[in-house]
Amino acid sequence: EPEVTQTPSHQVTQMGQEVILRCVPISNHLYFYWYRQILGQKVEFLVSFYNNEISEKSEIFDDQFSVERPDGSNFTLKIRSTKLEDSAMYFCASSPRTAYEQYFGPGTRLTVT
Amino acid sequence: GESVGLHLPTLSVQEGDNSIINCAYSNSASDYFIWYKQESGKGPQFIIDIRSNMDKRQGQRVTVLLNKTVKHLSLQIAATQPGDSAVYFCAETRSGNTPLVFGKGTRLSVIA
Repeated sequence: EPEVTQTPSHQVTQMGQEVILRCVPISNHLYFYWYRQILGQKVEFLVSFYNNEISEKSEIFDDQFSVERPDGSNFTLKIRSTKLEDSAMYFCASSPRTAYEQYFGPGTRLTVT
Repeated sequence: GESVGLHLPTLSVQEGDNSIINCAYSNSASDYFIWYKQESGKGPQFIIDIRSNMDKRQGQRVTVLLNKTVKHLSLQIAATQPGDSAVYFCAETRSGNTPLVFGKGTRLSVIA
């Protein structure tokens, strides 16, 4: 069964460094998302992406964040200058048609020290 | 000190019993609802969904009930098994390409 994959599974970085989190969505899906989950809290929406552009973003997704679909398979989340409070699990999700059926990847645990 | 958010509501059930997990959603305009299961260290896994034109939907061992009057959603798991132990989140969204809004989650603990 096709699944969303994410790399790396765990990323440790120092405050102020740039990180790129990578995702490979399910191949025939058209809508892509990033969510984050701070330890023990609920999953929070960051950004949605469709037709090579951002379709919606939350207030969490400030100028330090960017997304890209550099080729036909990868979908990346970049954090330009990480802060301690960026430490969280970051989940990529993809959907074939609309927001309705979102399939989540296993997540990348980002630890900012 | 104690950190807000680290203490999820917990439901403990005996193996073989039925479980009911509740969720209050926030937006009366939401028309699509999903239950996700999240095991430790993994991403949310789709369990079952329901649209606002329905009040009940059944899957394999799971049933979702929707009460739009009080904005309440519930997930019933029949004959709960140890593998059902996880955190369960409800999520809501409106028609179109809008993001999912997740609830706070309930931790289900199955006692063998």
